[in-house]
Amino acid sequence: AQSVTQLGSHVSVSEGALVLLRCNYSSSVPPYLFWYVQYPNQGLQLLLKYTTGATLVKGINGFEAEFKKSETSFHLTKPSAHMSDAAEYFCAVSHAGNNRKLIWGLGTSLAVNP
Amino acid sequence: DSGVTQTPKHLITATGQRVTLRCSPRSGDLSVYWYQQSLDQGLQFLIQYYNGEERAKGNILERFSAQQFPDLHSELNLSSLELGDSALYFCASSPTGVFYEQYFGPGTRLTVT
Repeated sequence: AQSVTQLGSHVSVSEGALVLLRCNYSSSVPPYLFWYVQYPNQGLQLLLKYTTGATLVKGINGFEAEFKKSETSFHLTKPSAHMSDAAEYFCAVSHAGNNRKLIWGLGTSLAVNP
Repeated sequence: DSGVTQTPKHLITATGQRVTLRCSPRSGDLSVYWYQQSLDQGLQFLIQYYNGEERAKGNILERFSAQQFPDLHSELNLSSLELGDSALYFCASSPTGVFYEQYFGPGTRLTVT
């Protein structure tokens, strides 16, 4: 069975500092990996995804994530945090033949301090 | 704008009542998913439909039911409502293809008083 663990339910960074949100997954088959962002009072928005090919994927708003098979990780990073990055971030995993179902992490709330 | 629409945006109702939430997926998307999001339980997958047929069930209560119609819109029916059913309910749709990203609607905020 697949599972997702997001380390740290709350992360706080200063404006301009590096953002690092951790996601580890468990999957016995090649995974498809996703990061979503949820701004207050809004729906979830796809930030980026890894399916096949290049392991470093770039998303919207300057975010990127690297698929590391050996570490079963898909951490989300951004070099310099903006105030507008304050939101809830969700990591999710799926795989081929899984009825298109996503397995979700519990989310990480990112606070950006001025 | 994801292209997924949900109505109503807000719903306030009393315990014991029944409500229907509506979702229209993105044009061409055959898969529809329903989620419940609350402060204490986080994001919970409820149910998935694909082209009118139920494909997967998650943590959906027996008091809740859903269906997907021939025009691909979906409805989530919540009955015998309890205070604990107060939450955000999201619909998502997924494009036909190999990679299973989901596109979320803006949600319906249900308040049970």
